[in-house]
Amino acid sequence: DADVTQTPRNRITKTGKRIMLECSQTKGHDRMYWYRQDPGLGLRLIYYSFDVKDINKGEISDGYSVSRQAQAKFSLSLESAIPNQTALYFCATSDTTGTPNQPQHFGDGTRLSIL
Amino acid sequence: EDQVTQSPEALRLQEGESSSLNCSYTVSGLRGLFWYRQDPGKGPEFLFTLYSAGEEKEKERLKATLTKKESFLHITAPKPEDSATYLCAVRDSGNTPLVFGKGTRLSVIA
Repeated sequence: DADVTQTPRNRITKTGKRIMLECSQTKGHDRMYWYRQDPGLGLRLIYYSFDVKDINKGEISDGYSVSRQAQAKFSLSLESAIPNQTALYFCATSDTTGTPNQPQHFGDGTRLSIL
Repeated sequence: EDQVTQSPEALRLQEGESSSLNCSYTVSGLRGLFWYRQDPGKGPEFLFTLYSAGEEKEKERLKATLTKKESFLHITAPKPEDSATYLCAVRDSGNTPLVFGKGTRLSVIA
């Protein structure tokens, strides 16, 4: 089983709809992240959470919101989807225990298309 | 503002033809430089972390090196299965998430 699981893997929806993307992890990491990836633009950070009570905006948070329901769960919501939010979305986790400066570990992404 | 620039954007190699990918960075204080591999339809997979200038890490046909301004990912005698997008990312001296470059798309032709 994957350590970082994203659901759904693919979603097609219409402009104006509310959408929730979910991420769960079994790695026991305290930090979780949401990125979007667009051709030619690379990975851009949307939101990140260092623990359940700590939520921070990333580079491109407008139009998105997040909820950290538990240490293992971090969801991303698009309140009213628009076509330019069509992208590949990734969840990632990282650990702060053990050796410093741990890498981030990624799920396999959600491909979101907004018509 | 932290910046990461990768070059070339795309690279096409014949099987066995060694080459290097470049990652240049600007940070206030480097805490770590990370290399990832990403296959189509998959999330980035962690390869290496480099912490200080002069450090090198190796894994199979890949070797990553670091200077004060850039990192190189050397690919020796590549095989078609090395075809992927390679991403570079940095973390600066603050308590911040990674900043990613746009990646280099590598194609190795048999």
